[in-house]
Amino acid sequence: DIQMTQSPPSLSASVGDRVTITCRASQDIRNYLAWYQQTPGKPPKALIYAASTLQSGVPSRFRGSGSGTDFTLTITSLQPEDVATYYCQKYNRGVAFGGGTKVQIK
Amino acid sequence: QVQLVQSGAEVKKPGASVNVSCKTSGYTFTGYYIHWVRQAPGQGLEWMGWINPHYGDTKFAEEFQGRVSMTRDTSSATAYMELNSLTSDDAAVYYCARDPFGEDLFDHWGQGTRVTVSS
Repeated sequence: DIQMTQSPPSLSASVGDRVTITCRASQDIRNYLAWYQQTPGKPPKALIYAASTLQSGVPSRFRGSGSGTDFTLTITSLQPEDVATYYCQKYNRGVAFGGGTKVQIK
Repeated sequence: QVQLVQSGAEVKKPGASVNVSCKTSGYTFTGYYIHWVRQAPGQGLEWMGWINPHYGDTKFAEEFQGRVSMTRDTSSATAYMELNSLTSDDAAVYYCARDPFGEDLFDHWGQGTRVTVSS
C-alpha cells in the first residue's frame, strides 16, 4: 500500500507569511494528489486536485505543485481564516491520506 | 447546490451496530460514487469504502471487510453505511463524500455523524 507522509505536523506563521506544507508518497502517484482544509468541528473542504488544480471558489493564494512522489501546498499570504489542518490525499486506484498539518497564526 | 446531509449523532454499546444515512440533493445521485471516511477524536482521516449508487456495487477498505456494509436508496437519493460489532475504537465522526470523477477523489462532504461507543 502507498503511504503518504506530510511535514511538518504543525506550524505557526504570521499573517501575510508564505507557508509551505509538503507531502511525500511512498511510490510514484503521478499527479493523483488532492489537498483538503479542515477547521475544527467541520468536514474537510476540497482545495486542490490533480496536484495543482484549484477547486471552484478556492482563493488563488492556495497553490499546489509537484508530481511523482513529492508535492507541496503553498499559501502565498497567510490569512486568519486559513487556520486549519491540511491533509493531502492520494487518489485513483486507492485512497491514502497524509497525517495532516496544523496551521496556526503566530 | 450539491448537498449531503447526514443523520444525527448516535450512542451505541460495544457489540452493537450503527447505521448512518447520507441524503443527497442538487445533483444526479446515480451519477457519482459515494465514499465513507471516518475520523477518530483528534486523529486523521481514514477511508472506509465506496458505493456506486447506479449499480449498488461496493468496495471496502481491508480493515473493515466483513464488518461494514454500504447500501443506497435511489428513490430518496440516500446512501447508507452500517458498521457492525462496534468497539471503543469505532468512536469517531463518520463522513460521506461525493466522488466527482470516479477516481476516489472527494469534492463535497456531508457534515459528519458522531458515533459514540460506550457501555
